[in-house]
Amino acid sequence: AQSVTQLDSQVPVFEEAPVELRCNYSSSVSVYLFWYVQYPNQGLQLLLKYLSGSTLVKGINGFEAEFNKSQTSFHLRKPSVHISDTAEYFCAVTPYSSASKIIFGSGTRLSIRP
Amino acid sequence: GAVVSQHPSRVICKSGTSVKIECRSLDFQATTMFWYRQFPKQSLMLMATSNEGSKATYEQGVEKDKFLINHASLTLSTLTVTSAHPEDSSFYICSASDGQGARNTIYFGEGSWLTVV
Repeated sequence: AQSVTQLDSQVPVFEEAPVELRCNYSSSVSVYLFWYVQYPNQGLQLLLKYLSGSTLVKGINGFEAEFNKSQTSFHLRKPSVHISDTAEYFCAVTPYSSASKIIFGSGTRLSIRP
Repeated sequence: GAVVSQHPSRVICKSGTSVKIECRSLDFQATTMFWYRQFPKQSLMLMATSNEGSKATYEQGVEKDKFLINHASLTLSTLTVTSAHPEDSSFYICSASDGQGARNTIYFGEGSWLTVV
């Protein structure tokens, strides 16, 4: 079985400040890793995903994440946030064996202060 | 690009009635679709895997007789909430992949808000 832990339910930051959203996972099998963003009253949008290769993954809107296998982490970062980044962010995994079945973390609400 | 569309986006129904939510893949075929449920300010919980031409696979704790899933074609899956009650009020989202494996893109629908009064 797989599980995803997002340690921070809410992260408030000032505009143009850097941000890191933490994600740890647990799995007995190999998994792919994802970050999704959900803007208010909308569905989900894929920010980035790690399948293999370089552990630093760059996504849309200036976000990046680094896969750390030894720490089973996949933290999301952005060097300078904007008001428009205000949203809910979900870390997720999917096992190799069922690669469309996504297990989500509890989400982190990122709020940007002007 | 590929799009997954859900309908209706919002629905209000009376307690005890049934409501159907559709999930369509607009420009690709999806042999498998997934249905998720999201309570306010919470994460998405996988409810079931919808398989074209066969029975859906439900996650533990999800009542299959209450949440009927039909995947009649390669582009359409439906979720019917039967005998709805206020506690069924939630945000329901479907997803579909344009191929096998995570190397293919997984698309999510826009979601459907269900309010049972």
